Amino acid sequence: GQNIDQPTEMTATEGAIVQINCTYQTSGFNGLFWYQQHAGEAPTFLSYNVLDGLEEKGRFSSFLSRSKGYSYLLLKELQMKDSASYLCAVMDSNYQLIWGAGTKLIIKP
Amino acid sequence: GAGVSQSPSNKVTEKGKDVELRCDPISGHTALYWYRQSLGQGLEFLIYFQGNSAPDKSGLPSDRFSAERTGGSVSTLTIQRTQQEDSAVYLCASSLEGGGPYEQYFGPGTRLTVT
Repeated sequence: GQNIDQPTEMTATEGAIVQINCTYQTSGFNGLFWYQQHAGEAPTFLSYNVLDGLEEKGRFSSFLSRSKGYSYLLLKELQMKDSASYLCAVMDSNYQLIWGAGTKLIIKP
Repeated sequence: GAGVSQSPSNKVTEKGKDVELRCDPISGHTALYWYRQSLGQGLEFLIYFQGNSAPDKSGLPSDRFSAERTGGSVSTLTIQRTQQEDSAVYLCASSLEGGGPYEQYFGPGTRLTVT
C-alpha cells in the first residue's frame, strides 16, 4: 500500500530551527510537496522537490532523498506565526497526491 | 484573480438529509480536486476532474457520494442520506492542469456537521 509518515506534533522555540521529517512508500514517484495549514484554514503551498537535494526558499528549506524515501522541511528563525500543521504529500505514478496526516508545530516564546 | 471559493462555509444538517457543496475554481484551471479532512487527520482524496470528466473517482467512500463539474468550471459534491461519519471539512482544490506535478490551490473548505 501507499504510506506517508510524519510526526504528529513537534514543539520548538521562537528564533530556533526545527526539522520536520517525512518518509514515504508510494506506487511511483512524481515529486513531493510540503504544504502549511493554519488551524481552520486551507493548506497553502510551501515547496516541491522532484530531484535529490536541498531546495532553499527564504527561511524554509526542503530536502529530498528518493533512494531513502525521505524528505524533511527545515524552518529557520522560527516565528510565532509559523505555528501550524505541515503536510507532506507525494505525487504517485498516476499524478495523484498521497497525503500524510500532518505535523502540528507548536512555537513557544 | 480570485482564488478558489467554496460554499457554504458551514453546513449543519440532520442525519438522512442530502447536502450539496459547491466549489468555484481559479479561472483557467482545468483540474479540480475534492478532499475530505476529519479533525486531526490528513487529507483524504475523493475525486479528481480534468475538464468536465472525472478520470479518477476512486476515493469516493460510498455510492451516497457523487460529484459533477459543468462548463469546465464550477463543481458540486453531493452527499445523499448523510450519516454522522460524513462530518468533516470538505476541501476543494484546483490546478492549472492535471496529470502533472502542478501546485494545487485550495479553497477555504466547507465544514459539514451531521447531527
